[in-house]
Amino acid sequence: DGGITQSPKYLFRKEGQNVTLSCEQNLNHDAMYWYRQDPGQGLRLIYYSQIVNDFQKGDIAEGYSVSREKKESFPLTVTSAQKNPTAFYLCASTPGFSGNTIYFGEGSWLTVV
Amino acid sequence: RKEVEQDPGPFNVPEGATVAFNCTYSNSASQSFFWYRQDCRKEPKLLMSVYSSGNEDGRFTAQLNRASQYISLLIRDSKLSDSATYLCVVNGEASGNQFYFGTGTSLTVIP
Repeated sequence: DGGITQSPKYLFRKEGQNVTLSCEQNLNHDAMYWYRQDPGQGLRLIYYSQIVNDFQKGDIAEGYSVSREKKESFPLTVTSAQKNPTAFYLCASTPGFSGNTIYFGEGSWLTVV
Repeated sequence: RKEVEQDPGPFNVPEGATVAFNCTYSNSASQSFFWYRQDCRKEPKLLMSVYSSGNEDGRFTAQLNRASQYISLLIRDSKLSDSATYLCVVNGEASGNQFYFGTGTSLTVIP
């Protein structure tokens, strides 16, 4: 079955640590996205990528980094510079870059302990 | 002003009731409109796209009013399984394929 796979589903991080969230898709989609969702709030865009080896900052990129070395993979690193990283992280993809439906992975819950 | 605004609710309705949600958007150049359903602690899933002429899928009807810049979702004969948060999503080519999400409207269907 085609889809978007995120891992891990649950992650606990100590303050000062970097963590990387994995996102893999087998939908052959060109564009991939990372969003953050906090309770009672809408999804906020962290980074997005339209094509391999290219990515753009979203609205809340500070404290995060990404790479897009392969079309199917778009990992997100939450660095120690992100002061409030506890949230639900969603990876998503679209077939192209215009008027398409957006599809989501199952999400990763990150908690700072 | 937020790009997309929704009434957060919560809406608590009895089984069998009809309930309607509205969503307004600020960018008149927006091209595509969607309703997503999000269950507690899960990812959003596409419920239906919204077309200019309005569209229906079973008990669900979505409508778009470009002049007033709002979209609506009507759920008829509510089921317990309809309990979820409904997200309004707007997308526009002019915004570089950015998607804008409402904060969601919470629906609980009561037996």
